[in-house]
Amino acid sequence: DGGITQSPKYLFRKEGQNVTLSCEQNLNHDAMYWYRQDPGQGLRLIYYSQIVNDFQKGDIAEGYSVSREKKESFPLTVTSAQKNPTAFYLCASSIDLGAGANVLTFGAGSRLTVL
Amino acid sequence: AQSVAQPEDQVNVAEGNPLTVKCTYSVSGNPYLFWYVQYPNRGLQFLLKYITGDNLVKGSYGFEAEFNKSQTSFHLKKPSALVSDSALYFCAVSAPMDSSYKLIFGSGTRLLVRP
Repeated sequence: DGGITQSPKYLFRKEGQNVTLSCEQNLNHDAMYWYRQDPGQGLRLIYYSQIVNDFQKGDIAEGYSVSREKKESFPLTVTSAQKNPTAFYLCASSIDLGAGANVLTFGAGSRLTVL
Repeated sequence: AQSVAQPEDQVNVAEGNPLTVKCTYSVSGNPYLFWYVQYPNRGLQFLLKYITGDNLVKGSYGFEAEFNKSQTSFHLKKPSALVSDSALYFCAVSAPMDSSYKLIFGSGTRLLVRP
C-alpha cells in the first residue's frame, strides 16, 4: 500500500541535543511538507519542498532544518536552537504544490518530548 | 494574509442528530477550502474540498460542506452523527493568488458524539 512512514513514533530528547525525524513516502509525490501540531493551535508549516534538492521555509522554520536529497525522503532535524520543541510533528506529501488545490496525504506523526 | 477560524473548540451532539462544525476564512481572491479529520495520535485524513463549481460539496463518510462566499464560510455538516465520528476536525484554506500555495489550518474543533 502506498503511504507515508514517519519514524520514530515517540522520541525523547534531552535539552541541547539535536534530533532527526524521518519521513519516507512511496506515493511518487513531488511535494513534501513538515507541520508542527500543538494543542489548540492547529497545524503550523515548518518547511516544504516542491522538488528534490529544493525546499522553502514555512511559517515557523527557526530552529529546524531539512534536506531533500531523494524524492522519497524529507527528514526534519530539530536543533538545540528550537526553544520549545515538545510537539507532535506531521509529515505530508502531495502530487505537487498544485497551486494549493491538491490534497495532502499525512503520515501518522512523531511525538517529540524534551526532558 | 490568509487565515481560517474555527470558533468552537468542541461540539457535542447526540448520535443520530445532525451535526455542524463551523469554519470561516479570510483570503485574497477565491479560496480553495478543505476539511480534514484526525483520530487520536494519528495523522490527518482528507474529507472533502471546494475548488470551484457547486457550492455544496460531498465527501467521505457522509460528510458535506457548503461554500458561502458572502459569509466567507465553509461549514462541515452531516445529517446523522455516529459515535465513530468523534474526532478532531480541521478546516484549511489556500489562496491561488498566493504564490507559495501554502495551506493554512484552523485550530481544530473536537467533535464528541454521545450514544
